[in-house]
Amino acid sequence: EVQLVESGGGLIQPGGSLRLSCAASGFTVSANYMNWVRQAPGKGLEWVSVIYSDGNTYYADSVKGRFTISRDNSKNTLYLQMNSLRAEDTAMYYCAREVDDTLTGYYDYWGQGTLLIVST
Amino acid sequence: DIQLTQSPSFLSASVGDRVTITCRASQGISSYLAWYQQKPGKAPKLLIYAASILQSGVPSRFSGSGSGTEFTLTISSLQPEDFATYYCQQLNSYCSFGQGTKVEIK
Repeated sequence: EVQLVESGGGLIQPGGSLRLSCAASGFTVSANYMNWVRQAPGKGLEWVSVIYSDGNTYYADSVKGRFTISRDNSKNTLYLQMNSLRAEDTAMYYCAREVDDTLTGYYDYWGQGTLLIVST
Repeated sequence: DIQLTQSPSFLSASVGDRVTITCRASQGISSYLAWYQQKPGKAPKLLIYAASILQSGVPSRFSGSGSGTEFTLTISSLQPEDFATYYCQQLNSYCSFGQGTKVEIK
């Protein structure tokens, strides 16, 4: 059974750093496209970052230069290192597996989310 | 960047109603369009991918259509468990989501 479990969220002061984790089971993280998506309280979904199976990474403009996506193949875990945090980074953070089929793509599995609050 | 615009943003409907939500892309995205349902406090759930393919286990009252820049999600007969927020998503160029459509009980 495919499962994604996020952890690492919490309350952090502006300017601080935090690393989120997404532990996967039932499939191999390194063989898939893996994403982070966030949702600010009461707001819509915002894509944050992707790491492809070949290791290439991409970021939303809002986090470029501050966030780093990575994976640990031995632990089958996805990470999001977040630096220089701002109040506007406050959100529920979800990891999601992306399916990249011929002529389409979609996220078939999502974690339950981990909440980050950036505040004094 | 590809922008997705959903309409309406809010919809009030009754059980049994036929509901249609539209998603317009700022440029052509072929069939790289998916629809998700999200209930409060839960992660999004995939309903439809490739614009019109129903995800396994999703009731057949949900359907999707469209290609290029205009897409629709239709619920043929709204059920109590369908009251939620719906998002479209494109993966033609990285990823972006529509702003969401909240479906509430009339």
